Amino acid sequence: EVRLLESGGGLVQPGGSLRLSCAVSGFTFSSDAMTWVRQAPGEGLEWVSVISGSGTSTYYADSVKGRFTISRDTSKNTLYLQMNNLRAEDTAVYYCAKNKESDVWSYIDCWGQGTLVTVSS
Amino acid sequence: DIVMTQSPDSLAVSLGERATIICKSSQSVLHTSGNKNYLAWFQQKPGQPPKLLIYWASTRESGVPDRFSGSGSGTDFTLTISSLQAEDVAAYYCQQYYNSPFTFGPGTKVDIK
Repeated sequence: EVRLLESGGGLVQPGGSLRLSCAVSGFTFSSDAMTWVRQAPGEGLEWVSVISGSGTSTYYADSVKGRFTISRDTSKNTLYLQMNNLRAEDTAVYYCAKNKESDVWSYIDCWGQGTLVTVSS
Repeated sequence: DIVMTQSPDSLAVSLGERATIICKSSQSVLHTSGNKNYLAWFQQKPGQPPKLLIYWASTRESGVPDRFSGSGSGTDFTLTISSLQAEDVAAYYCQQYYNSPFTFGPGTKVDIK
């Protein structure tokens, strides 16, 4: 069974940093691209970033480009999202998601439960 | 960027009746070499993460009831729930995975009339 478990969310001040982690199990981690999607309170889904199965290709939403960095550690079966210079508008539940294939042009087929990030002073 | 739109924003349908959601993309998401539309549909129930329903615009994910169907090509797509059940109350989102940023539609909330 595929499992995705996010952690690292919490309350952070504007301008601060946070690193989200997503521990995965139940599939060959290096075989599939991985995605972060966020959802502000009461709002819709916003795609944030994706990383290929090999880790060599990454893409970002314009709203986070230059502030967020996606990465993966195959030895730890863990996906990361380093978030710097956080803003109030980054407040959201952040979902880790698994793609169906190794390349980034593939659909999401499994989601984690999400972790809440709140940016506030 | 590809902009995804959905209509309506919300709809209320009687139990057993059909629900239809429209999704439009600002440019084609049809990859001509493989003749595949890079379009997925997700269902999100309150307090839960999203769940994949449909991929390649019309392929139902394993385990998804056959009352859910997807259709369309190019820029115009439809998600149909043929006979609405109480457990189908949720928000529904389309997403294109043709080009980065891999944008979602704004969502459509489905409720019981």
